[in-house]
Amino acid sequence: AQSVAQPEDQVNVAEGNPLTVKCTYSVSGNPYLFWYVQYPNRGLQFLLKYITGDNLVKGSYGFEAEFNKSQTSFHLKKPSALVSDSALYFCAVRAYGGATNKLIFGTGTLLAVQP
Amino acid sequence: KAGVTQTPRYLIKTRGQQVTLSCSPISGHRSVSWYQQTPGQGLQFLFEYFSETQRNKGNFPGRFSGRQFSNSRSEMNVSTLELGDSALYLCASTDWDNEQFFGPGTRLTVL
Repeated sequence: AQSVAQPEDQVNVAEGNPLTVKCTYSVSGNPYLFWYVQYPNRGLQFLLKYITGDNLVKGSYGFEAEFNKSQTSFHLKKPSALVSDSALYFCAVRAYGGATNKLIFGTGTLLAVQP
Repeated sequence: KAGVTQTPRYLIKTRGQQVTLSCSPISGHRSVSWYQQTPGQGLQFLFEYFSETQRNKGNFPGRFSGRQFSNSRSEMNVSTLELGDSALYLCASTDWDNEQFFGPGTRLTVL
């Protein structure tokens, strides 16, 4: 069965420091991986995706993610955190099998950036 | 280009009632997916529609149903509401490049 794990419920980081939000996955075949961000009382905003190609993917708002096939990981990173980055972050994988856009989400990681 | 719109944004219902939520995808997007978000269960896939056909369905009871119209707008219906149906219901439309764009959601409260 396909699944996504976000091992940290919360990540705390000081403004200006680098941040990492972890994600590991379990899928059959080649994964389609995504990161989304959710601000309070809002829907999900797309940050970036990995389909194929370079393992380092660059996305919106200065975020990037590194696909590591051997470790089945897709960690989200940013070189310098901003207070405005504080939000709930979700990793997701597209379900495998036939034509579908179904996403399987991790449980989310709350990122708190302290000034 | 307008984003995904969902109506209404907030709903309060009582147990046993039914509710219909609406989603208008981004123009040109033919795939619409629905998700339920709760603090306990996180984000759970409900169903996906493509060109008016249900293409995939999550593990929810038959009280949850949906449909898609020829203009790609979608509705989901929940009958015989239960307290546990209180959630944020999110709709997403998908473009040709596999990016899902989410609407702001409908916050359903069941009393």
